[in-house]
Amino acid sequence: GENVEQHPSTLSVQEGDSAVIKCTYSDSASNYFPWYKQELGKGPQLIIDIRSNVGEKKDQRIAVTLNKTAKHFSLHITETQPEDSAVYFCAASRSNTGKLIFGQGTTLQVKP
Amino acid sequence: DTAVSQTPKYLVTQMGNDKSIKCEQNLGHDTMYWYKQDSKKFLKIMFSYNNKELIINETVPNRFSPKSPDKAHLNLHINSLELGDSAVYFCASSQVAPGGETQYFGPGTRLLVL
Repeated sequence: GENVEQHPSTLSVQEGDSAVIKCTYSDSASNYFPWYKQELGKGPQLIIDIRSNVGEKKDQRIAVTLNKTAKHFSLHITETQPEDSAVYFCAASRSNTGKLIFGQGTTLQVKP
Repeated sequence: DTAVSQTPKYLVTQMGNDKSIKCEQNLGHDTMYWYKQDSKKFLKIMFSYNNKELIINETVPNRFSPKSPDKAHLNLHINSLELGDSAVYFCASSQVAPGGETQYFGPGTRLLVL
């Protein structure tokens, strides 16, 4: 069945360093890949997404890359700040099915 | 002003009870979802409704019954609660139109079954 693997499960970086989270998906028909940030006690919030016709997308300190051939996509956060500390989820779906398959989550800790 | 709201925020109940969680969205979206987040933070879709019609129904015990009275509301009723139902339940909504896949999540309902 559909599956999304996410690594690492925990990531600790110093403030100002970069953080990279990687995901692999199994369904080759997936064409929509969002990333969500979940702060403690809150619901997941979309931070960036990418569609399969694009290889890379950037929004200020956040960028996402997609390798459709290898079925990999990654989240890159540069110049990390303590407020970036949260759980990050990748997900994959076939566009407009609404069925998001989530990765297991990465707990990011940014140390001041 | 909250885009997707859920009530209650916390729910503590005994095994065997029946309980309901309510969700409302004011974004004008056509599609609403229920997700379950377990103690390991894993998020899994349970149900999805589009304009009051059930379109996704994952392998969920039939003790869970969603109901959508209109496209702005999606409620979740759980019968005969079990210990394993303890989790955080999230409601979400999205638009059907192409490019409208973004799902907006509510704040969650923390269910504890004793």
